[in-house]
Amino acid sequence: GAVVSQHPSRVICKSGTSVKIECRSLDFQATTMFWYRQFPKKSLMLMATSNEGSKATYEQGVEKDKFLINHASLTLSTLTVTSAHPEDSSFYICSARATGGWTDTQYFGPGTRLTVL
Amino acid sequence: EDQVTQSPEALRLQEGESSSLNCSYTVSGLRGLFWYRQDPGKGPEFLFTLYSAGEEKEKERLKATLTKKESFLHITAPKPEDSATYLCAVQGHAGNMLTFGGGTRLMVKP
Repeated sequence: GAVVSQHPSRVICKSGTSVKIECRSLDFQATTMFWYRQFPKKSLMLMATSNEGSKATYEQGVEKDKFLINHASLTLSTLTVTSAHPEDSSFYICSARATGGWTDTQYFGPGTRLTVL
Repeated sequence: EDQVTQSPEALRLQEGESSSLNCSYTVSGLRGLFWYRQDPGKGPEFLFTLYSAGEEKEKERLKATLTKKESFLHITAPKPEDSATYLCAVQGHAGNMLTFGGGTRLMVKP
C-alpha cells in the first residue's frame, strides 16, 4: 500500500516552454501533497504544500507564478513549470501525506527529471 | 526553527561490517521522526516512523532508535544492496511539513 506515482519520469523541453508534472496517490486519498526539488548529491528542498481544493502554500523564495500547483482531487496534484529555463533543470519529487489513526506519513513518488535546453 | 543534522555525510563499509548512522535534531514538539532510503535517481522510500523517546523499530538488517535529541539507524551485517542514501526527517507540531537532514550516503563493498 501507500504508492505514489509521478508522470513523466523524464522530460526534456526547450527554453520558454511549459511542462506539467503529475503526482498521484494510487491506493489512498491525500488531502495534502508536497512538491520538492533536489539538486545532485543534496537533500530535498520543499517548494510548496498542495492542499486539495485550496491554494498551494509556497516556501520562501519559490515563485508561485512560475511553479503553478493544482490539487484538484484527493489523489492528484500537478506542478506546472511555466516558461522553463535551463536553471529550472532539476529532479522534482512529490509526496502524498497519508493519515489514519495516529499515523501521519509522507510517501514519495519516484521523481521527475526535468532538463531544459 | 526545526533543524536536522545527519552524520557522517558518507560511510564506507565492508559487507558484514555493522555500523550506525546518526540523526541529531531540534524541533518544537516532535510529532514524528522519519527515516527514508533513497537510491540514485529515485524518490525516497519510507522505512520507519518513531514517535517518542525510547521507541525502537526494526526491518530486516535495519533498526531505528530514538532519544529526545537524536536517532540512530543501526545497520547489522550490511550487504551491498543496502548501499543508498539514508535520509532523516522530523515533523513538529507547528505544521505538516518535514524538515530533512542532509543525508548519509552509505556504500557497502562486497
